[in-house]
Amino acid sequence: EVVLTQSPGTLSLSPGERATLSCRASQSVSGSQIAWHQQKPGQAPRLLIYGTSRRVTGIPDRFSGSGSGTDFTLTIFRLEPEDVAVYYCHYYGNSRGTFGQGTKLEI
Amino acid sequence: QVQLVQSGAEVRQPGSSVKVSCKASGDSFKSYVFSWARQAPGQGLEWMGGVIPLFGTPNYAQKFQDRVTITADESTRTVFLELSSLRSDDTGIYYCARDQAGEPYIFAYWGQGTQLTVSS
Repeated sequence: EVVLTQSPGTLSLSPGERATLSCRASQSVSGSQIAWHQQKPGQAPRLLIYGTSRRVTGIPDRFSGSGSGTDFTLTIFRLEPEDVAVYYCHYYGNSRGTFGQGTKLEI
Repeated sequence: QVQLVQSGAEVRQPGSSVKVSCKASGDSFKSYVFSWARQAPGQGLEWMGGVIPLFGTPNYAQKFQDRVTITADESTRTVFLELSSLRSDDTGIYYCARDQAGEPYIFAYWGQGTQLTVSS
């Protein structure tokens, strides 16, 4: 079973800065099956990025995914106050799923 | 437009069962993967399992294998999650989700969540 470990647990930055969120898999996974979800307080999560780097329609290009093998990254450029949320990486391969424990982004 | 509308909040006693529904609207129902995840209070997301209505055979997370049943009713375009032998640590929000073409088991569309409280 793949285990995803996210770091840091909490990230505190200022508007306009860049956020770098890490997700490490316990074993090498297909990069085509790594996604990132954003969950704002009191809301259901929503999909931002899938296939490691493919943005969902309507997601600003400030959000960028990258990585391969066991190390994956979500980068958020030019932070805005509305980006406050918990971000989860998600592996959806082998007809199963697993989530990282989340990174809380404070601005 | 894809929409997933879940049933309302539930309160159950320990040892009982609960069945949560998720009604889908939009395009084709039977060929997509419908999945369930839960979130304990203040905690992260936990994958529980998924089903493709066309095939009917679900996949479950090992942790829930003995207590969870996921089914789909094509006639009503509704997917169900049944969890038995409830414990207090089953309290949380339960989400259904649907994948998108070419990306099986991804959580592309999310339901609004169903709050389950297990308490005596």
